[in-house]
Amino acid sequence: ELKVEQNPLFLSMQEGKNYTIYCNYSTTSDRLYWYRQDPGKSLESLFVLLSNGAVKQEGRLMASLDTKARLSTLHITAAVHDLSATYFCAVDRSEKLVFGKGTKLTVNP
Amino acid sequence: EAGVTQFPSHSVIEKGQTVTLRCDPISGHDNLYWYRRVMGKEIKFLLHFVKESKQDESGMPNNRFLAERTGGTYSTLKVQPAELEDSGVYFCASSPLQGVAAEAFFGQGTRLTVV
Repeated sequence: ELKVEQNPLFLSMQEGKNYTIYCNYSTTSDRLYWYRQDPGKSLESLFVLLSNGAVKQEGRLMASLDTKARLSTLHITAAVHDLSATYFCAVDRSEKLVFGKGTKLTVNP
Repeated sequence: EAGVTQFPSHSVIEKGQTVTLRCDPISGHDNLYWYRRVMGKEIKFLLHFVKESKQDESGMPNNRFLAERTGGTYSTLKVQPAELEDSGVYFCASSPLQGVAAEAFFGQGTRLTVV
């Protein structure tokens, strides 16, 4: 059974700081996704990582994928308050997504 | 273009009652998915429609849950009778492409509370 583990589950950081969220998964998969969710809102797709070594960046967020290590990271650079949200990673398994528990990020002034 | 919309946004019902959740996918999307997040747990897959057919319903927890997608447009998820452990947020997602789950667009979810 495919398992997806994220850590940390809760992250409180100061504006301007850098941090990384980790996503490990237990079986081979070629597709990994990062989503953002604001309270009461839908899941917003941030990144789709399709191959080993893939790196994508959007603003202060950068995601990478190492399929050999079964690890993806979401790096936050110089955090700002607007990044406060819950971030989910998910792995594609037979046309369905298997999610991690999510990382609730709070960026404090 | 309208996104995936779900109704209601919140529902509070008593144990033993029936609740029906509705999802309107993005127009033209053949794939429709239901997921659920129980508090503190992962978002878990419930089922997948391709048009009006159930492609995969392996995540449905038990026979109290019934999903339909008549005509291949909107979908309903009925819980009858509801139990306390059914509380959670139910997400619907749709995508246009077969075999590409992650091109799915999610709705805002329906928060179901069973008391």
